[in-house]
Amino acid sequence: AQSVAQPEDQVNVAEGNPLTVKCTYSVSGNPYLFWYVQYPNRGLQFLLKYITGDNLVKGSYGFEAEFNKSQTSFHLKKPSALVSDSALYFCAVSTEGGSARQLTFGSGTQLTVLP
Amino acid sequence: SAVISQKPSRDICQRGTSLTIQCQVDSQVTMMFWYRQQPGQSLTLIATANQGSEATYESGFVIDKFPISRPNLTFSTLTVSNMSPEDSSIYLCSIKTGARTEAFFGQGTRLTVV
Repeated sequence: AQSVAQPEDQVNVAEGNPLTVKCTYSVSGNPYLFWYVQYPNRGLQFLLKYITGDNLVKGSYGFEAEFNKSQTSFHLKKPSALVSDSALYFCAVSTEGGSARQLTFGSGTQLTVLP
Repeated sequence: SAVISQKPSRDICQRGTSLTIQCQVDSQVTMMFWYRQQPGQSLTLIATANQGSEATYESGFVIDKFPISRPNLTFSTLTVSNMSPEDSSIYLCSIKTGARTEAFFGQGTRLTVV
């Protein structure tokens, strides 16, 4: 079975500072990793994904994530946070084959960027 | 990316009644899913909506409570039956074209059962 852990329920960061939202995963086989953001009263918006290739993936709104196979991690990062980045962030994983193609989500991390 | 229209966007329902949520996609898709997001929680997969056959339900979800229709490759409905306050959640429709591709989500239906 595949699983995702987001160890921090809440992350607070000052505007202009770098931010990191942590994610670790567990799958059998090669992982496909995704980050989504959810603003209040909105659906989920796709930010970025890692499928294969470069471990550093760049996505929307200046976000990036680093895939680390040995640590089974896929942390989301941004060099300079904006107040508008405040939202709920979800990490998700899937892999090949059967029901594993479905996305399994982490518990979510509420990011608050303080002005 | 595909455009996913989900309605209603929100509803307040009496316990014991049923609500049908619609999901319309502007292109044909093979993989269509329904998720539940309880207050302050993550997303939990309810079922995979299969075109032309019965939906595949995840553990803890049953067809009698959450009947799903998928009459074609662009449309699906989820019904929440015999509702109780515990069913108060956001219900999200999602599409995906393969294991390596990202999923796209509708805006969600915020259901409150009173």
